[in-house]
Amino acid sequence: SAVISQKPSRDICQRGTSLTIQCQVDSQVTMMFWYRQQPGQSLTLIATANQGSEATYESGFVIDKFPISRPNLTFSTLTVSNMSPEDSSIYLCSALLQETQYFGPGTRLLVL
Amino acid sequence: QKEVEQNSGPLSVPEGAIASLNCTYSDRVSQSFFWYRQYSGKSPELIMSIYSNGDKEDGRFTAQLNKASQYVSLLIRDSQPSDSATYLCAVNRARGNTGKLIFGQGTTLQVKP
Repeated sequence: SAVISQKPSRDICQRGTSLTIQCQVDSQVTMMFWYRQQPGQSLTLIATANQGSEATYESGFVIDKFPISRPNLTFSTLTVSNMSPEDSSIYLCSALLQETQYFGPGTRLLVL
Repeated sequence: QKEVEQNSGPLSVPEGAIASLNCTYSDRVSQSFFWYRQYSGKSPELIMSIYSNGDKEDGRFTAQLNKASQYVSLLIRDSQPSDSATYLCAVNRARGNTGKLIFGQGTTLQVKP
């Protein structure tokens, strides 16, 4: 199995600022992902974090707003840039290991 | 139309009863289906995966898939208060799990002692 940790667990930010969320996996994994869970909504895939290359973004998400880094097989970061209240959500890191998808505990973000 | 639809609930069942959770999906090419359980404030955890039509049993859990009707369900037998959580249905267009899952909104289950 894989254990995923995220930092910070929660934050309150002012609009216009940026926040970087860190994700650490206790195993080397090929595939890492970032999801968003807005209040009362389902989980939505933001992007696939590719090791050694640019992230692959889903429709509706762009690199300028959500830059992602993946420097190695166990770590990734997601930055939420130029935040607005609409970005208030839970951001979850996910990793695929042996066809099982594991999720981190999430980062609860409130933008004022 | 949402790609994956679930009744948000809450679904309330007495302890020991069978809880039936349902999910429909719109994309006919979907090949892989997953049920995740999410306790309040916690991350989702995988309960079951199913790829072929029919039933798949694992302990108290049974997943049922009907691709012709684009319908997948999860039955929980002998429901316990510890089963109270939100159950998320997820779909993948590819065979197996590529990580790119499309989730439903989730059904909240309440098991009353």
